[in-house]
Amino acid sequence: QQQVKQSPQSLIVQKGGIPIINCAYENTAFDYFPWYQQFPGKGPALLIAIRPDVSEKKEGRFTISFNKSAKQFSLHIMDSQPGDSATYFCAASKVDFNKFYFGSGTKLNVKP
Amino acid sequence: EAGVTQFPSHSVIEKGQTVTLRCDPISGHDNLYWYRRVMGKEIKFLLHFVKESKQDESGMPNNRFLAERTGGTYSTLKVQPAELEDSGVYFCASSQGDSGNYGYTFGSGTRLTVV
Repeated sequence: QQQVKQSPQSLIVQKGGIPIINCAYENTAFDYFPWYQQFPGKGPALLIAIRPDVSEKKEGRFTISFNKSAKQFSLHIMDSQPGDSATYFCAASKVDFNKFYFGSGTKLNVKP
Repeated sequence: EAGVTQFPSHSVIEKGQTVTLRCDPISGHDNLYWYRRVMGKEIKFLLHFVKESKQDESGMPNNRFLAERTGGTYSTLKVQPAELEDSGVYFCASSQGDSGNYGYTFGSGTRLTVV
C-alpha cells in the first residue's frame, strides 16, 4: 500500500508560471515532509522540507504548503524557470525513523 | 567533499544471472540506505545500515537480495538470481546522523535492466 500519493504524474508550464505538485499521506505519525528534486542522470537532492507544526515554508522560489487536518502538502514553484525542469518527489517520515516513504514523482517541464 | 558514488551506472543482465551493485557513501557517514525505483513508480526503501549493522531490512523484496557493508564503509547489493521484476533504478544514500535532521545525500543510481 502506497503511503504517500503524489499528483500529477507530469506537468508542463510556461516560464514564469507557478506549477503546483500535490501529495497526500495516510500515516498520522509522519512528522517530517521533504521534497526532493532530481535531474536526469542524477540522484534526488533535498530541496525543501517542513515539519507539521507550521503550515507554510518558503525557501527562495519554492514554497511548501501543509494541511495537517487534510493530511496533504504541496510544493509551489514561483516564477518557474526552464532550469527547474526536473522530476520532483515528495516524501514523508517520522524523524526518529531512518526511512522515507516517497511519492511516485512528478516530471515538470518548464517551457521557455 | 566527494558525494555518494554508485557503480555501475547501468547494468543489463539476463534473467537468472547475478549482479552486484556497489555504493561508496560520503566519508564519515555512518548511515547508509538502499532504495529502488521501479519504472514510473515511487522510490521504495530497501534497507538501512548503521556502520556495518543492518538496522532495518524490512524493504528487501525477497531472499534473492543480499546487502553487505563490511567494515562500515562501502556497501554492496547482490541480486541472485535476477528476475525481470528486479529491473529499476537502485539508489544508495548516506547521512551523517538522524536523517530527519541531516537529510540524505543520494547517489546517481544504478539502472538495472533484466532481460
